[in-house]
Amino acid sequence: DTEVTQTPKHLVMGMTNKKSLKCEQHMGHRAMYWYKQKAKKPPELMFVYSYEKLSINESVPSRFSPECPNSSLLNLHLHALQPEDSALYLCASSQPRQGPTQYFGPGTRLTVL
Amino acid sequence: AQSVAQPEDQVNVAEGNPLTVKCTYSVSGNPYLFWYVQYPNRGLQFLLKYITGDNLVKGSYGFEAEFNKSQTSFHLKKPSALVSDSALYFCAVRDNGKAAGNKLTFGGGTRVLVKP
Repeated sequence: DTEVTQTPKHLVMGMTNKKSLKCEQHMGHRAMYWYKQKAKKPPELMFVYSYEKLSINESVPSRFSPECPNSSLLNLHLHALQPEDSALYLCASSQPRQGPTQYFGPGTRLTVL
Repeated sequence: AQSVAQPEDQVNVAEGNPLTVKCTYSVSGNPYLFWYVQYPNRGLQFLLKYITGDNLVKGSYGFEAEFNKSQTSFHLKKPSALVSDSALYFCAVRDNGKAAGNKLTFGGGTRVLVKP
């Protein structure tokens, strides 16, 4: 089963709100990723966690705060976002010992008003 | 630095005809290459990958891709396209060196439209 789940599917928030996106996988993968995707564009890597430790931060603004509570869960905490942060946020996972293939979740469609 | 180019923004093909989506890449070492497909308002779905071995890679839903090292290409092909193949296709590359970490670099995407 190559399933990555993400909640919520859709999120609308104001610029002063605090919200969180959640990602979960039960494939035993030890690397998890957050991507941001604008319409008709490729995904842009934001963060990578490897064995529950942050290994890559692609110079993402601090209003985005990732968290990896355990090997199955990945959160993205959002605070004081801007309208230009509206996008599809994708989570992915991979198992470093089984190769580099990343498996993606369905995404959360975020709208910032 | 690694990079991927998908030279066609859109490919139009009639149902039943062969489909080709082009991809060229640049890496400093040996490449790991991937194709993903994305349907509207959905995440990316893994189709196939090249790591090593046979240059012709077979994947899901009848898709295949040919790795050509001399031309640094990894074109996606399907012998007979279906209307349901209409979607956005992404090629991605990762350098197999340790310095690359887990970072995939994606091409700009190619929209495939299969007409009945």
